[in-house]
Amino acid sequence: GAVVSQHPSRVICKSGTSVKIECRSLDFQATTMFWYRQFPKKSLMLMATSNEGSKATYEQGVEKDKFLINHASLTLSTLTVTSAHPEDSSFYICSATRSAKNIQYFGAGTRLSVL
Amino acid sequence: KQEVTQIPAALSVPEGENLVLNCSFTDSAIYNLQWFRQDPGKGLTSLLLIQSSQREQTSGRLNASLDKSSGRSTLYIAASQPGDSATYLCAVKGGGGADGLTFGKGTHLIIQP
Repeated sequence: GAVVSQHPSRVICKSGTSVKIECRSLDFQATTMFWYRQFPKKSLMLMATSNEGSKATYEQGVEKDKFLINHASLTLSTLTVTSAHPEDSSFYICSATRSAKNIQYFGAGTRLSVL
Repeated sequence: KQEVTQIPAALSVPEGENLVLNCSFTDSAIYNLQWFRQDPGKGLTSLLLIQSSQREQTSGRLNASLDKSSGRSTLYIAASQPGDSATYLCAVKGGGGADGLTFGKGTHLIIQP
């Protein structure tokens, strides 16, 4: 299957700092990437849909100014959590797909802990 | 808004048993349904993908069924092994096909050696 690399796998930061998470499709061109987050004992929830070369579409309740998504190339999307706060601590995971209707391949996720 | 429910939330069985995990969804207008496995602190491994026009998919000891009209899917695991211990997630993709996935909370499965 296709390989999606997500980095870093874990990050611990102080409140108020910004954190960037990268999602790379290693062996295919990903026109669409999705970002999800998972709070403890909760479902994975879609945060935003990112199409290469255009602005991301955010789900209701997700602040676009806080969670900056850039999908500048067909193999890389980044999620930046700006001015992180303890309530942003969560498991963030990306997926990539050749086209929006195709199967999604998931990265290994990033565990963010904000102190 | 689509909602996905998985029952049971947790399950512990002895090795060798056959078991069934259940998934239900509220909006039957889905594009496809997917079962994933998630190991602690790890990403997702896709197990089976069922398109909306299909009734079931099989891979090794796994069999997934889909009854779209009733909003249900089951994942059948035959001859369970300790290595099957993980959280199993059910996810549906919206009718248009271009949407992200809507996940259930998962079933935490423990296979006792």
